[in-house]
Amino acid sequence: GAVVSQHPSWVICKSGTSVKIECRSLDFQATTMFWYRQFPKQSLMLMATSNEGSKATYEQGVEKDKFLINHASLTLSTLTVTSAHPEDSSFYICSATGGALENYGYTFGSGTRLTVV
Amino acid sequence: DAKTTQPTSMDCAEGRAANLPCNHSTISGNEYVYWYRQIHSQGPQYIIHGLKNNETNEMASLIITEDRKSSTLILPHATLRDTAVYYCIVRVSNTGNQFYFGTGTSLTVIP
Repeated sequence: GAVVSQHPSWVICKSGTSVKIECRSLDFQATTMFWYRQFPKQSLMLMATSNEGSKATYEQGVEKDKFLINHASLTLSTLTVTSAHPEDSSFYICSATGGALENYGYTFGSGTRLTVV
Repeated sequence: DAKTTQPTSMDCAEGRAANLPCNHSTISGNEYVYWYRQIHSQGPQYIIHGLKNNETNEMASLIITEDRKSSTLILPHATLRDTAVYYCIVRVSNTGNQFYFGTGTSLTVIP
């Protein structure tokens, strides 16, 4: 149980375009979802926390107008990278939790590798 | 905002126990110690967590010192598939609280 599906697993886009990444909880209701970014050979950096039905809370230094997060249902959160540039190329990972899952740690998606050309 | 210190890298022979240390000298009384691992190009995988008692599950054992300022993750019989980056995280166990990842330990299991 407690599966988080992330889609797409990789995407290549042109500079200036927008890319949407989906994060779905398949067998539980995710009251809270998190979005991370990871550059090569670095650790995961938390970008934002989203609670279902409310605005996301962004970490310091993360541009909320560039990284749009929507958590409109208990099973889906999306991250849209707007006007992507090559420096946005990174590995984006979501995680989710809800209810009793708190006792077993959060479940992470398999990640999305974004390459902006 | 990581509050832990881990060695950058470690090697372990296949079949032997892998002991991964973590220092968390500023841990608060209500903070748990969590361990995750990340295999290359995948999302992190939960391993184990504990507050003050030692914990064991099918994946690993967690030994927390009495003063809770450090802990050790033990993989009893390391396999090549255990090669990964292991993250030690301290966090208050409330629903919705974030996980902040430090630099972790890159464990290489050697045949």
